[in-house]
Amino acid sequence: EVQLVESGGGLVQPGGSLRLSCAASGFIVSDNYMSWVRQAPGKGLEWVSVIYSGGSTYYTDSVKGRFTISRDNSKNTLFLQMNSLRVEDTAIYYCARVQTGPWGQGTLVTVSS
Amino acid sequence: EIVLTQSPGTLSLSPGERATLSCRASQSVSSSYLVWYQQKPGQAPRLLTYGASNRATGIPDRFSGSGSGTDFSLTISRLEPEDFAVYYCHQYVSLPWTFGQGTKVAIK
Repeated sequence: EVQLVESGGGLVQPGGSLRLSCAASGFIVSDNYMSWVRQAPGKGLEWVSVIYSGGSTYYTDSVKGRFTISRDNSKNTLFLQMNSLRVEDTAIYYCARVQTGPWGQGTLVTVSS
Repeated sequence: EIVLTQSPGTLSLSPGERATLSCRASQSVSSSYLVWYQQKPGQAPRLLTYGASNRATGIPDRFSGSGSGTDFSLTISRLEPEDFAVYYCHQYVSLPWTFGQGTKVAIK
């Protein structure tokens, strides 16, 4: 079964860090465009970052220099390292295989003092 | 940045009716990189169509996508109770990738 399972969300203070993981099954992460998308409470979808199959990475402006997308081919897992977190980063974070899906179930990140 | 504007914001219809959702881009988008998602409360988005007009695996044929250039649409031919949800268009041809703000299909 083709599936993505996220983990690593939680409550963190402003300025703190979190590392999100997205474990894939049924397909090879490194053969695909893999993306992180977030959704603030009650809001729409916002694209955060992508890693292409060739390894190039891109970010939305608001997270550049703070977030890093990466993958571990041996574990078939996608990551999002989030540093210098801000209150406005509070959202459900989804990982997704871009062209065909699926999306993971999402993991909630709450940034609050 | 390519801005995707969806209309209407809310569409109030009855089961069995036809729904037509619009997605207008601020610049031309290759249809190969325009997709539609459905999202129900408390769930992750689900891919409906890709390449503007191809249905994703397992998606019923009452869902159809069309369009080119700057104007795209998603049509649900006959609304089923499970189709009442929020729908998003998304382009991934030009960075930063962008989503429309969503259209809610509500029960009238």
